[in-house]
Amino acid sequence: GEDVEQSLFLSVREGDSSVINCTYTDSSSTYLYWYKQEPGAGLQLLTYIFSNMDMKQDQRLTVLLNKKDKHLSLRIADTQTGDSAIYFCAELLTGGGNKLTFGTGTQLKVEL
Amino acid sequence: ETGVTQTPRHLVMGMTNKKSLKCEQHLGHNAMYWYKQSAKKPLELMFVYNFKEQTENNSVPSRFSPECPNSSHLFLHLHTLQPEDSALYLCASGGGADTQYFGPGTRLTVL
Repeated sequence: GEDVEQSLFLSVREGDSSVINCTYTDSSSTYLYWYKQEPGAGLQLLTYIFSNMDMKQDQRLTVLLNKKDKHLSLRIADTQTGDSAIYFCAELLTGGGNKLTFGTGTQLKVEL
Repeated sequence: ETGVTQTPRHLVMGMTNKKSLKCEQHLGHNAMYWYKQSAKKPLELMFVYNFKEQTENNSVPSRFSPECPNSSHLFLHLHTLQPEDSALYLCASGGGADTQYFGPGTRLTVL
């Protein structure tokens, strides 16, 4: 079955790096995504990675994918207070049409 | 991000009311989605439309009735809802690499 898991909470100090982790159970993922949700807002697409890639970097964001362990991570360099939000990972399955399965989200708190 | 808009942003309704949520996308996408976001639960996909045709109904109760008159507009008609239906309802439209772009959501409270 489809299951995407994330830790619920992460706290970091401003200027440090944040690493948000996600594990998934279905190995037939084609794309994996990271979304950010600020209070009172919808989900903002941050980045995505195709399943045949190991890494993708986009400015302060680095996505690492370990297909063997079904593990996805999002690293935010030089974390700022504006990065405080809930971060969701999601996977798109082969043959799943265009349905995404989302994790429960990780609340990132950036402290001064 | 103004590519996907939703109205109203907040809605309070009684269990006997009928109301509608509206979603509009200006991104030229052909797929549109309704999701339900409840506290401490994963995002739940409700409906998927591709080229105005419904391609997914994720066992949603009939008190939620979607309508997609064209690829840019999506509605969710609500009637005789229950208090447990209170949630944030998110609309999304689908782009390349199967990416989905979300609207700001409608915060629904059912009394």
